[in-house]
Amino acid sequence: QKEVEQDPGPLSVPEGAIVSLNCTYSNSAFQYFMWYRQYSRKGPELLMYTYSSGNKEDGRFTAQVDKSSKYISLFIRDSQPSDSATYLCAMSDVPSGGSNYKLTFGKGTLLTVNP
Amino acid sequence: EPEVTQTPSHQVTQMGQEVILRCVPISNHLYFYWYRQILGQKVEFLVSFYNNEISEKSEIFDDQFSVERPDGSNFTLKIRSTKLEDSAMYFCASKLPGAGANVLTFGAGSRLTVL
Repeated sequence: QKEVEQDPGPLSVPEGAIVSLNCTYSNSAFQYFMWYRQYSRKGPELLMYTYSSGNKEDGRFTAQVDKSSKYISLFIRDSQPSDSATYLCAMSDVPSGGSNYKLTFGKGTLLTVNP
Repeated sequence: EPEVTQTPSHQVTQMGQEVILRCVPISNHLYFYWYRQILGQKVEFLVSFYNNEISEKSEIFDDQFSVERPDGSNFTLKIRSTKLEDSAMYFCASKLPGAGANVLTFGAGSRLTVL
């Protein structure tokens, strides 16, 4: 079983739609859960992060982590054409004796928001 | 806003040639990373570097790869004898010590094409 699974899409929605992006994982040691946005031929840019379980909201974006199901979600409300990008989930455990965090990424979901 | 700078943005090389990819991490960061993304695939961890030595490396990071911090500002990835399958985007990232997994800052990437 792969460590992190993410539906690659592509996902195409009309402007204003609510978008739901998801990842599942198998490593129960993961404690940090992140969502990155990546535009074409650019580096990943951190969008949201959550430590352990729970929800986190930032403007139109909400991140949810359900550790019991090993399932994380990113919701985008009132989606805009500028949200069109690839969304990557990434996870990390807590390193022993230091702060050398190694991220494990999902494959990314390509989102297009049509005006 | 501070950023991680990578050069070159794109390099084309012949199979068997040596390649050096360069990164200038954020100035007060002390953890440095290289990640790789083959077209259409996941972003994968290659290596982490702290206190002038490799902290951790993946199975991908074999004897053909090496990293160096030659002058206190640059962080380089060298591929000694490139193979076709080394064609990918290579991302450098850096973070502060003590900071969590969520504060990795990625560069825009260097695209390597091996012919």
